[in-house]
Amino acid sequence: KQEVTQIPAALSVPEGENLVLNCSFTDSAIYNLQWFRQDPGKGLTSLLLIQSSQREQTSGRLNASLDKSSGRSTLYIAASQPGDSATYLCAVCGSNYKLTFGKGTLLTVNP
Amino acid sequence: GAVVSQHPSRVICKSGTSVKIECRSLDFQATTMFWYRQFPKQSLMLMATSNEGSKATYEQGVEKDKFLINHASLTLSTLTVTSAHPEDSSFYICSARVGTGVGSNQPQHFGDGTRLSIL
Repeated sequence: KQEVTQIPAALSVPEGENLVLNCSFTDSAIYNLQWFRQDPGKGLTSLLLIQSSQREQTSGRLNASLDKSSGRSTLYIAASQPGDSATYLCAVCGSNYKLTFGKGTLLTVNP
Repeated sequence: GAVVSQHPSRVICKSGTSVKIECRSLDFQATTMFWYRQFPKQSLMLMATSNEGSKATYEQGVEKDKFLINHASLTLSTLTVTSAHPEDSSFYICSARVGTGVGSNQPQHFGDGTRLSIL
């Protein structure tokens, strides 16, 4: 059974700082990995999707990497802003085409 | 593109009431939709996979008679929580996967969720 772990559970940083969120998964037989953002009481916004054959994806200030063999992914956020404050979720799409989610990292960027 | 609309966003009702939640893909067709439940400070847990024109597939531990799913068209799936009780209070989120294939690793697009509170 796939298990997804996100570290840290919570992170508080001053505005402008670069930061890294970590995600690990136990079963490397995945099709892809996605990073989502969830604001309080809201649904999910997809940030980046990395196919299993890819090593990284970039969108603006966000960069996600994938090391499938070691079961790890990181989400790098450059020059963080207060508007980046949210919960960030990592999810892997397994061989059964279903998503398994981590518990998320609650990010607070202080002005 | 790829917008998923979920309605209602919030429901508060008495114990014993049945509640229906709708999930619509607005600008694409989706053979497969998914229903998740999220408890406070927990991850999203898949409840069931909904395939258009066929019976939903439920995850282990999810009662199919409690959570009725209907996926009658390529743009609409509904989840009905029957005879809801306080322990059913949770945040329910649907997603729709682009495309008309049953097995696919195409991205899922999520609705904004429904906060269900049973008194």
